[in-house]
Amino acid sequence: DTEVTQTPKHLVMGMTNKKSLKCEQHMGHRAMYWYKQKAKKPPELMFVYSYEKLSINESVPSRFSPECPNSSLLNLHLHALQPEDSALYLCASSQGVGTPPYEQYFGPGTRLTVT
Amino acid sequence: GQQLNQSPQSMFIQEGEDVSMNCTSSSIFNTWLWYKQDPGEGPVLLIALYKAGELTSNGRLTAQFGITRKDSFLNISASIPSDVGIYFCAGLAGNYGQNFVFGPGTRLSVLP
Repeated sequence: DTEVTQTPKHLVMGMTNKKSLKCEQHMGHRAMYWYKQKAKKPPELMFVYSYEKLSINESVPSRFSPECPNSSLLNLHLHALQPEDSALYLCASSQGVGTPPYEQYFGPGTRLTVT
Repeated sequence: GQQLNQSPQSMFIQEGEDVSMNCTSSSIFNTWLWYKQDPGEGPVLLIALYKAGELTSNGRLTAQFGITRKDSFLNISASIPSDVGIYFCAGLAGNYGQNFVFGPGTRLSVLP
């Protein structure tokens, strides 16, 4: 089973709202990722958690706040977003990062619209 | 920094035709991943490559890790309508598997 689940599938929020995106995997993977994808563009890495610790933050604005409560769950807390933050937010997981295999498995994404 | 180019940018083919696309860079990569993405969905992993010269198949798909380690190729044989989508390559330059670089994608359309 290579399933990564994400909720919600769609989210519309105002610029003053606070919301959270959720991601879950039960593959025993120890690395989890958040990506942002704009239309007709490739995914862009935002954050990487390895063994539940934040290991990469790709200079993402503080209005995006990741959280990894345990090895199966990854959240992305959103606050005071801008319309240009509207995008498909993808979660991915991999077995680890130190040794192969490095394959990343993606969830279906959350389509976020900021109004 | 490392950048990947994908060629062609888009292609229209007849059902039943074979498809070839590639991913190139001026930098050396140690791992290549190939993904397919349908509209509004997450990318689905097709093939992973770890050794220069490696040729790996997954059904009608075959991918190769270029011998120079600066490119990778994906072939689809006997295309069918469900092959429509965007194909992304992703390359890892180091030996720590966090920072994959994604190519811009090849958009495949299949004409019946």
